[in-house]
Amino acid sequence: AQSVSQHNHHVILSEAASLELGCNYSYGGTVNLFWYVQYPGQHLQLLLKYFSGDPLVKGIKGFEAEFIKSKFSFNLRKPSVQWSDTAEYFCAVNGGFNKFYFGSGTKLNVKP
Amino acid sequence: DAGVIQSPRHEVTEMGQEVTLRCKPISGHNSLFWYRQTMMRGLELLIYFNNNVPIDDSGMPEDRFSAKMPNASFSTLKIQPSEPRDSAVYFCASSTGTGGSEAFFGQGTRLTVV
Repeated sequence: AQSVSQHNHHVILSEAASLELGCNYSYGGTVNLFWYVQYPGQHLQLLLKYFSGDPLVKGIKGFEAEFIKSKFSFNLRKPSVQWSDTAEYFCAVNGGFNKFYFGSGTKLNVKP
Repeated sequence: DAGVIQSPRHEVTEMGQEVTLRCKPISGHNSLFWYRQTMMRGLELLIYFNNNVPIDDSGMPEDRFSAKMPNASFSTLKIQPSEPRDSAVYFCASSTGTGGSEAFFGQGTRLTVV
């Protein structure tokens, strides 16, 4: 079975700090990888996705993620966070059968 | 495009009552997912449909939960009888089902069972 692990459950940063959120998945086949963001009281929205090609993927709002196949990882990064990035971030994998598996989420709190 | 539409947005009901949550996926999407989100358990996949057929319902908590998709534009999630531990936000999501396609989420239904 597929699974997704997000190592950081709660991250607190000051504005302008750099961000890296870890995501590891377990699945032996071809995968599609996603990062979603959920702002307080809202639904999940797509930040970026990896389907194929360049393993460094750029998304909205200055976020990027790098797919490292050998490490089964898809870490999310942002060079300089803003207060408005305060949200919960979910990593997801979609392998066979078009079934999406989500990690447990990382709550990011950016202090102004 | 209106996106995935869920109703109601909020539902408060008494324990033992039947609750029905509704979802209209994005037109043209072949896959539909029901998720439940709680503080304790995070985001859980309850059931997944492809072309209106339930493919995997292993996440449905127990027999009190049932889901249907009578056509490509409508799905329901029913809880009967409801219990306080069912209180959560229930999300519906849809996708095209093709390689690389993401899941689009609705606004969710916040269910409170008292």
